[in-house]
Amino acid sequence: EPEVTQTPSHQVTQMGQEVILRCVPISNHLYFYWYRQILGQKVEFLVSFYNNEISEKSEIFDDQFSVERPDGSNFTLKIRSTKLEDSAMYFCAGGGTLATNEKLFFGSGTQLSVL
Amino acid sequence: GQQVMQIPQYQHVQEGEDFTTYCNSSTTLSNIQWYKQRPGGHPVFLIQLVKSGEVKKQKRLTFQFGEAKKNSSLHITATQTTDVGTYFCAGPGNQGGKLIFGQGTELSVKP
Repeated sequence: EPEVTQTPSHQVTQMGQEVILRCVPISNHLYFYWYRQILGQKVEFLVSFYNNEISEKSEIFDDQFSVERPDGSNFTLKIRSTKLEDSAMYFCAGGGTLATNEKLFFGSGTQLSVL
Repeated sequence: GQQVMQIPQYQHVQEGEDFTTYCNSSTTLSNIQWYKQRPGGHPVFLIQLVKSGEVKKQKRLTFQFGEAKKNSSLHITATQTTDVGTYFCAGPGNQGGKLIFGQGTELSVKP
């Protein structure tokens, strides 16, 4: 089965530094998402992306966050100035359509630790 | 805002015992999905329910969607150690597209 690939698997950074999390979605997917999961907690929606623009974002996704699909394949999440509370597992996910009955395929995640 | 709630948060069972997790939405859902996340892993799609009162089975797993399409349950018969993980229900957001996840039920199975 095709997979969503995320790199790096772990990222350690100092508070205030910029990080870029990378994802290679499944090739025929059209809709992409970033979710995050703080240890032991639920999977929280951050942002959805379609046709090279953000289609929806949550309250968590403030001005410090941005997403891009620079080359038509990679999908990136940038955190401009990391805070301690940004420490979490970040999952990229994709779906074929925006239909709400479409299942999502998740990547293995990037564990971000902000020190 | 729209919420999806799950109980219990944790469930510890002896191997061979049954397990049930319950999911409730603050709004009527067009469909509900269930995902399993193994320890250290990522959410993996299990099933989707669409119709009111729908019941679906996957081997020892039984999924149910409530008549009002606001609640759902997952029941595992005769748990095995391979069932260990966190089970999440998820429903579509008000604006469509995104999925809103419940808090998850973490299942541990003692051999």
